[in-house]
Amino acid sequence: EDKVVQSPLSLVVHEGDTVTLNCSYEVTNFRSLLWYKQEKKAPTFLFMLTSSGIEKKSGRLSSILDKKELFSILNITATQTGDSAVYLCAPNTNAGKSTFGDGTTLTVKP
Amino acid sequence: GAGVSQSPSNKVTEKGKDVELRCDPISGHTALYWYRQSLGQGLEFLIYFQGNSAPDKSGLPSDRFSAERTGGSVSTLTIQRTQQEDSAVYLCASSENYGYTFGSGTRLTVV
Repeated sequence: EDKVVQSPLSLVVHEGDTVTLNCSYEVTNFRSLLWYKQEKKAPTFLFMLTSSGIEKKSGRLSSILDKKELFSILNITATQTGDSAVYLCAPNTNAGKSTFGDGTTLTVKP
Repeated sequence: GAGVSQSPSNKVTEKGKDVELRCDPISGHTALYWYRQSLGQGLEFLIYFQGNSAPDKSGLPSDRFSAERTGGSVSTLTIQRTQQEDSAVYLCASSENYGYTFGSGTRLTVV
């Protein structure tokens, strides 16, 4: 059975702090790993990672994948209150199906 | 359409009643997924449609749950004889190559 473990489950920081969110996975027929941000209802897509060691960046967010050790990290630098959300990690298989982790709830205080 | 549309946005139903949840995916997206999310929990896979292939129903929790996708577009998730544990947000997503685009979900409350 596919498994995704995210840590920490929750995190409270102050604006300007840097955070690292972790995702480890065991997935059959792994194809890619996706990160999503969920604020109110629907998750929104952040990154797709397919190759090990290649960092993807978008503004203050960055992410990297290690396919040998089966994990990924999501970094957020200079956090802002608008970064408060649940961050979801979702490995995707060759069949196109994603298994989601339980998420990390990030709270950024002013 | 511009995004994935789900209806209704909220549904309150009595235990034992049947409900139908609708998803209208992004035009041209061949893949459509249903997930549900209970309060404070992660997303639980329910069912996956890809083109004309037989759907992957491996996540449906019981035979009270069924889904269909007509004409490769709109999908309906049906829950028969609803139970209180069915209360959750039901999310639909569509995809073309990678990355899902989610709808806003249907919040189902069974009382």
